[in-house]
Amino acid sequence: EAGVAQSPRYKIIEKRQSVAFWCNPISGHATLYWYQQILGQGPKLLIQFQNNGVVDDSQLPKDRFSAERLKGVDSTLKIQPAKLEDSAVYLCASSLDRVEQFFGPGTRLTVL
Amino acid sequence: GENVEQHPSTLSVQEGDSAVIKCTYSDSASNYFPWYKQELGKGPQLIIDIRSNVGEKKDQRIAVTLNKTAKHFSLHITETQPEDSAVYFCAASTEYGNKLVFGAGTILRVKS
Repeated sequence: EAGVAQSPRYKIIEKRQSVAFWCNPISGHATLYWYQQILGQGPKLLIQFQNNGVVDDSQLPKDRFSAERLKGVDSTLKIQPAKLEDSAVYLCASSLDRVEQFFGPGTRLTVL
Repeated sequence: GENVEQHPSTLSVQEGDSAVIKCTYSDSASNYFPWYKQELGKGPQLIIDIRSNVGEKKDQRIAVTLNKTAKHFSLHITETQPEDSAVYFCAASTEYGNKLVFGAGTILRVKS
């Protein structure tokens, strides 16, 4: 069974630029999560989708972050404009039963 | 909201020894407590989980205990091997997997 796919794996941008990350969940998983993992910390939930609807986005900085999951499969997370403090690994996870979450390898973002 | 504290931040053990990582949580309504293992350059992987109606769960060399009264839970790894070296995260949720709140992580080094 293929795992959660994410791209790109690494991204370096200047502050105030925009960036987008892509996630393809495990086939059949209706629930999709985006997490932010700052170096030395645990992952922090940004947004949770159930199919193509948002279940929880209470910790998403909506002035600069946006996410969508068209057709209930792939998802993109966008940051515009980026700040230095956005440097982190962005993890995508999916779940079949909304309990066990399967994580992708993440995208490491560096904002200069 | 929920807050999860994890100790120690780093742990070095000799191959074959046991390792114990402890977490405390703040929300007495939490009912699901997973443990994740994260290797370098990879996303977290679920290794064991426990629900609030169970006090202990074991899977080969890994066990988790839960004390709801004291609001703490622990991961026990016996007969450690070099491949156990990784970062371990505990997490807690009040909704069986939704709204997971992670601890800061423990770097486990197993010396051979």
